[in-house]
Amino acid sequence: DTAVSQTPKYLVTQMGNDKSIKCEQNLGHDTMYWYKQDSKKFLKIMFSYNNKELIINETVPNRFSPKSPDKAHLNLHINSLELGDSAVYFCASSQDPPPDTQYFGPGTRLTVL
Amino acid sequence: RKEVEQDPGPFNVPEGATVAFNCTYSNSASQSFFWYRQDCRKEPKLLMSVYSSGNEDGRFTAQLNRASQYISLLIRDSKLSDSATYLCVVSPQGGGATNKLIFGTGTLLAVQP
Repeated sequence: DTAVSQTPKYLVTQMGNDKSIKCEQNLGHDTMYWYKQDSKKFLKIMFSYNNKELIINETVPNRFSPKSPDKAHLNLHINSLELGDSAVYFCASSQDPPPDTQYFGPGTRLTVL
Repeated sequence: RKEVEQDPGPFNVPEGATVAFNCTYSNSASQSFFWYRQDCRKEPKLLMSVYSSGNEDGRFTAQLNRASQYISLLIRDSKLSDSATYLCVVSPQGGGATNKLIFGTGTLLAVQP
């Protein structure tokens, strides 16, 4: 009965590989997000979707491609991984865009070697 | 200048102490304000919203000073379980699909027995 879930929890991979992270929410929310938290703990929005439609794309390299197959799911595919992509990636959801409360998933810790 | 600035700490306080965190934001048009809490290696969770008139939730009091673009969080009678990173969060718009949350880098609180 987890509200926002992500898989995998940990991801260790080599530079140049392609990887995906999946997110699902069972809260019935319309809006979902991807955030990146870097080694300095700075949490920054990458993308937001509302009802499967991309709303916010925060100058993220186009190696990052989000996909929302339905409003309960938001996946993140990353091509040609770089060392600087190492971070914790959080998925979140809210019924409406801010100021509505956002509920975060447990995070995916990505390490690029 | 960062959009949301916080003293990173750490704040090391004994149990039972009162501790205050401050935060400043750069966008004077910002509309909504929050404190989120993030435990070590966990996801952020909403602690409380911050209202212009100030608001209290148990041992926690939040204040907003729009003129100075300053937000504060006061924790009274600190408990060991209050140990976490406290994130100051600002929402630039009152609402709308493109609105987003801007996170500060957080203030680390360590409550000592």
